[in-house]
Amino acid sequence: DSGVTQTPKHLITATGQRVTLRCSPRSGDLSVYWYQQSLDQGLQFLIQYYNGEERAKGNILERFSAQQFPDLHSELNLSSLELGDSALYFCASSPTLTGELFFGEGSRLTVL
Amino acid sequence: DQQVKQNSPSLSVQEGRISILNCDYTNSMFDYFLWYKKYPAEGPTFLISISSIKDKNEDGRFTVFLNKSAKHLSLHIVPSQPGDSAVYFCAARVSGTYKYIFGTGTRLKVLA
Repeated sequence: DSGVTQTPKHLITATGQRVTLRCSPRSGDLSVYWYQQSLDQGLQFLIQYYNGEERAKGNILERFSAQQFPDLHSELNLSSLELGDSALYFCASSPTLTGELFFGEGSRLTVL
Repeated sequence: DQQVKQNSPSLSVQEGRISILNCDYTNSMFDYFLWYKKYPAEGPTFLISISSIKDKNEDGRFTVFLNKSAKHLSLHIVPSQPGDSAVYFCAARVSGTYKYIFGTGTRLKVLA
């Protein structure tokens, strides 16, 4: 158990809908990362927050947004969902700005 | 473009022999390299890392080698054990940022 909690574990929804994925980092970790893993793909970096502030951005679509709250949990919002958004979404936390990442078990999103 | 490539999607090795997993990168602006292991239905877990100023790092059965001139990273597992069967991801940190770029993974199967 990495100490990073992601909910929900599985989510099935329809095209055009909006979903929110939630991540609770390890106790004391200030940095939260979001990654997307599509079928047979690597982990694509989406976005990173540190203590509530956005610090790095990857190939995150405009339909996606994220935030980190004062209690350090983070949410990834995916809107106007398309079939291609079906993927595993991983959250990771780190105690520092640049340190090894501790991953949650992922949220599997299926868009029908 | 900042790319990290794992050109072998899978590898099978006999128990007790050496497993060698390879990773190539196309950008010199990485300052830190990591290997993660992932079991099914779990998030990736950190295995071993190496700074760009070193060429080797060892931790028990795991050794990571970095060849900067060839832009090549490898993970050696000796001796390989059936419990090592998993997907292995290499990752690289972009210098001066908080972005970790991951490869597509290599599925290692250690045969008993």
